[in-house]
Amino acid sequence: DADVTQTPRNRITKTGKRIMLECSQTKGHDRMYWYRQDPGLGLRLIYYSFDVKDINKGEISDGYSVSRQAQAKFSLSLESAIPNQTALYFCATSDSSGLRYNEQFFGPGTRLTVL
Amino acid sequence: AQSVTQLGSHVSVSEGALVLLRCNYSSSVPPYLFWYVQYPNQGLQLLLKYTTGATLVKGINGFEAEFKKSETSFHLTKPSAHMSDAAEYFCAVSSGGYQKVTFGTGTKLQVIP
Repeated sequence: DADVTQTPRNRITKTGKRIMLECSQTKGHDRMYWYRQDPGLGLRLIYYSFDVKDINKGEISDGYSVSRQAQAKFSLSLESAIPNQTALYFCATSDSSGLRYNEQFFGPGTRLTVL
Repeated sequence: AQSVTQLGSHVSVSEGALVLLRCNYSSSVPPYLFWYVQYPNQGLQLLLKYTTGATLVKGINGFEAEFKKSETSFHLTKPSAHMSDAAEYFCAVSSGGYQKVTFGTGTKLQVIP
């Protein structure tokens, strides 16, 4: 099955460390997104990319950076992790063509803990 | 600008009872509306969506939602709750063709045997 995968699934790190979260998809979708989920706050958009050369900041991009290495790969980096970046992170994809273009498909999530 | 408000962060129902999860939206253009479900330790999956046309939308697992423009609402219902419906449910809105989606804060549904 075409899928969205995230690595790692769980990560514990220390304040100040650089962390990279990776997302890969086999759906052939052109658009990819990074969200973080915090209890009571729902999902908030960090960055999104409509194609390899188009990357945009979301509502909470401070402290994060991204790289779209290929259509199928979208990585999220925390240059210097801090405890309030402890959260569940989701990658999502969507297809700009066809009738399902406004539906997003989510990966299983990465649980990040910053000590 | 667009936003979503989900009323009630936690809802409890008895098995077999009606499920009603409330969602109100704000959008400056005709919206696309979604309900997603998140089971424990999993990502979100689409339950149903409204884009255009029929305002009563049927989704998976017996859920449905009705788009009411006059009330700016998109409430999720299911006639009879099952234990497997216990999960967190997110309402979401998208305005315009570039697909930026805004999610609500979620409602955790507990089903009591």
